Amino acid sequence: DGGITQSPKYLFRKEGQNVTLSCEQNLNHDAMYWYRQDPGQGLRLIYYSQIVNDFQKGDIAEGYSVSREKKESFPLTVTSAQKNPTAFYLCASSAGQAFSYEQYFGPGTRLTVT
Amino acid sequence: DAKTTQPNSMESNEEEPVHLPCNHSTISGTDYIHWYRQLPSQGPEYVIHGLTSNVNNRMASLAIAEDRKSSTLILHRATLRDAAVYYCILIRDMRFGAGTRLTVKP
Repeated sequence: DGGITQSPKYLFRKEGQNVTLSCEQNLNHDAMYWYRQDPGQGLRLIYYSQIVNDFQKGDIAEGYSVSREKKESFPLTVTSAQKNPTAFYLCASSAGQAFSYEQYFGPGTRLTVT
Repeated sequence: DAKTTQPNSMESNEEEPVHLPCNHSTISGTDYIHWYRQLPSQGPEYVIHGLTSNVNNRMASLAIAEDRKSSTLILHRATLRDAAVYYCILIRDMRFGAGTRLTVKP
């Protein structure tokens, strides 16, 4: 089945540690995205990528980094510089040009930092 | 930036139609209106989209006002599985507000 996988589903880290969230898609989509969701809130865009080796900052990129070495993969690193990293993180992908077609979302990773 | 506004919550009875409104008064001529829904602890799921004409698919219908400043997502017969947060967004903006939390009562 085609789709987006995110792992792990739950992640726990100590404050001050960097952590990398995985996102893989087998939909052959060009564009990939990372969003953050806080309780009771909508989604906020962290980063997006249109093609391999290229990515753009979203609304809340500070404290996060990404890479896009393969079309299928778009990992997100939450660095120790992110002041409030505890949140639900969602990865998505879409065909064609970014923000032009419907996005398909993964199941999400819930990160807890204590 | 273009924005959408939706009611925070709505209730419906099972097997009755549900009309979920969305205002997007600053929409531009080329902005597509997209609807997604999110079940608890899951990623959002695409529901439907449209530009000017009303649209139907197996999940729902989308009615778009003639001036395109508002739209309505229509679930023809709500089921308990339709209880979710529904987001109306403009695809080029892709900014998710808090959405409308739909509660379906048996």
